Amino acid sequence: GNSVTQMEGPVTLSEEAFLTINCTYTATGYPSLFWYVQYPGEGLQLLLKATKADDKGSNKGFEATYRKETTSFHLEKGSVQVSDSAVYFCALLAAQGAQKLVFGQGTRLTINP
Amino acid sequence: DAEITQSPRHKITETGRQVTLACHQTWNHNNMFWYRQDLGHGLRLIHYSYGVQDTNKGEVSDGYSVSRSNTEDLPLTLESAASSQTSVYFCASSRQGVNEQFFGPGTRLTVL
Repeated sequence: GNSVTQMEGPVTLSEEAFLTINCTYTATGYPSLFWYVQYPGEGLQLLLKATKADDKGSNKGFEATYRKETTSFHLEKGSVQVSDSAVYFCALLAAQGAQKLVFGQGTRLTINP
Repeated sequence: DAEITQSPRHKITETGRQVTLACHQTWNHNNMFWYRQDLGHGLRLIHYSYGVQDTNKGEVSDGYSVSRSNTEDLPLTLESAASSQTSVYFCASSRQGVNEQFFGPGTRLTVL
C-alpha cells in the first residue's frame, strides 16, 4: 500500500539556520506530494505541493522537489525564523483511485532565537 | 468568507457514551474527510464521503460512523466511546477533481 516516512523529530535549530526535513514515500504510479504545516492549536494548512516528477513546490521560503528516482520530497528552507516553529507533515495522494491523503508521522520543528 | 468549522473544539466524555462531532463547510465541496491525529502516527483517515448519501471507510473506521445528508455537513459519531478514541479529530474537505484538502481547526476529545 501507499505510505510516507518522515525523519524523526523533534528538530531544534537556531534562527537563520538551514532546514531539511526528509520525506520518502512508497506508492504505485505517480502520486501528488504535499507538505502541510500545523501551528500550535490550529488545523493543518497546505504549505506546498508538487504533482509530477521534477516539479518544485515553493511557498514562504520553503521548497521541496519531487524526486521520482529516489521517491523523495524533502522540505528545505535556507534561513528559518522563530515563526516557522510548527509541526510539518509530508503527505501523498495516489494518482488513481480514492482521493485520500496518506500522511507521514509529522516532524516537530522548534526554532530558537 | 467560505470556511470549515468543527464543534465542539473540546469534549470530555465517559467510556460507553455516544458522541457526535460536527463538521460544517461552506465551500460547497463534494469531498469531505475525517482524520484522527495521534502522536507518532500523523493523521489517519477514519471515514470519507464523495457526496450526499456517499460514505466510505478509511483505515481506522472501527467504532466510528458518518452520514452525509447534505453537501455542507459530515458528522462523526462514536457509537460507544472508548479510551483508545482519545485523540484530536480533524475534518477536511476538497473540491471534486482538485487534490488540495482544507482542514478544520480540530476537536480534542478525551474519553475517561
